[in-house]
Amino acid sequence: NAGVTQTPKFQVLKTGQSMTLQCAQDMNHEYMSWYRQDPGMGLRLIHYSVGAGITDQGEVPNGYNVSRSTTEDFPLRLLSAAPSQTSVYFCASSPMGAVVETQYFGPGTRLLVL
Amino acid sequence: AQTVTQSQPEMSVQEAETVTLSCTYDTSENNYYLFWYKQPPSRQMILVIRQEAYKQQNATENRFSVNFQKAAKSFSLKISDSQLGDTAMYFCVTRGTSYGKLTFGQGTILTVHP
Repeated sequence: NAGVTQTPKFQVLKTGQSMTLQCAQDMNHEYMSWYRQDPGMGLRLIHYSVGAGITDQGEVPNGYNVSRSTTEDFPLRLLSAAPSQTSVYFCASSPMGAVVETQYFGPGTRLLVL
Repeated sequence: AQTVTQSQPEMSVQEAETVTLSCTYDTSENNYYLFWYKQPPSRQMILVIRQEAYKQQNATENRFSVNFQKAAKSFSLKISDSQLGDTAMYFCVTRGTSYGKLTFGQGTILTVHP
C-alpha cells in the first residue's frame, strides 16, 4: 500500500512552459485535492474532486487545471507557468462517508518557475 | 468563509518538557471540525489530533491533547513529554460542512532541544 504518491519531487520550469504534476493513490479514496504551500502561509486549496469525473475549484484555482478520469489519479496541470506559481504542491486524498475524514497527504512536489 | 490564525511563528522547548501551541479560528458554520497537522522536515503532512466542534470533551492522543474553547474560538495543542521527533511545523486546520475543504493556519515551527 503506497498511499499517496506524487511525481516529480522537484521541477524547474521557465515562465510560459506547461507541465503536469502527477498524483496517485491506491486506497480507493473518493476524495482527492491539491494544495499549495508558500513560505509564511498555510496550505491553500487549489482544486478538489469528490469522485471520477467530478472536480471543483478551491481557494486559488487560477492558472491550474485538473481532471479526474479514474479514482486513482488526479493530475494538476499548469498551462503557462508563472513565477508566482513557485511553491510546494501537495496532493491529498480521503475516504468519503466517514463523519470526520482523515486526509492522507503525499510527500509534495517542489516547483521553481524562473 | 473560515480563517485560522496561529500567532506563534516559532517556539522551542526542552526535551521532556511541555509546550502549548496556540490557535484561534473564525467560522460562520455551526458544524465544523478542527485538526492539528504536523509537517516534519520530510514535508510529509501527518494528522496529530482532531476535534469535532459539537463535542465538548477535549480530544487526546497519547502525549497530545487540545484545549478547545468553543465560545472563544480557540483550539490550542499541548504536547507533553516533548521528544526530539516532535520537531516540526505544526498547522492548525479547520473544516466546515464542505467535505474535504481544509483551511490552514500559517503554521508554528516547533524545535525540541536535547
